[in-house]
Amino acid sequence: GAVVSQHPSWVICKSGTSVKIECRSLDFQATTMFWYRQFPKQSLMLMATSNEGSKATYEQGVEKDKFLINHASLTLSTLTVTSAHPEDSSFYICSAPGGAGVGETQYFGPGTRLLVL
Amino acid sequence: EDQVTQSPEALRLQEGESSSLNCSYTVSGLRGLFWYRQDPGKGPEFLFTLYSAGEEKEKERLKATLTKKESFLHITAPKPEDSATYLCAVQAGANSKLTFGKGITLSVRP
Repeated sequence: GAVVSQHPSWVICKSGTSVKIECRSLDFQATTMFWYRQFPKQSLMLMATSNEGSKATYEQGVEKDKFLINHASLTLSTLTVTSAHPEDSSFYICSAPGGAGVGETQYFGPGTRLLVL
Repeated sequence: EDQVTQSPEALRLQEGESSSLNCSYTVSGLRGLFWYRQDPGKGPEFLFTLYSAGEEKEKERLKATLTKKESFLHITAPKPEDSATYLCAVQAGANSKLTFGKGITLSVRP
């Protein structure tokens, strides 16, 4: 199956700083990638859709100025949490579809645990 | 609005005790139903994709089935290593976004 990586796997930062998380598709190209966050014992909540070469599409209630998304190439999307606060502490996971059509399986990265002190 | 409901929330089985996990869905124009396994602190691992009612897929001790209203993940003779959270998600219409259920936490005792 297709492989998606994330970096870093763990990050601890001070309140007010910005944190960048990378999502890479290792053996396939992805014009679209998705960013989720997951709180303990809860399911995945879609934050935004990252589109290569164009602006990201954010879900209702997600602050686009706080969660900056850049889809720099066909294999890389980045999520930057700006001016992070303790309530931003969560598990962030990205995914990418393994093909171009709707109905294609989405493959997930291993996740990034963010802790804001 | 697309909705996915998984039941039960948690399931505890004895090793070898077969059971089924349920995923009920309400969508307009199902394009695909997906099952994932998620271990604590890790990203979801892909298990199956089902596209149309009547479709079935198998992998080792797992078998996924699909009807027009629900999907089942059957686990035959489970082992402790099958303990995980099992997530169901749907993709509908022209949108490639996934809508997830809350997941079912499976615990298999040796």
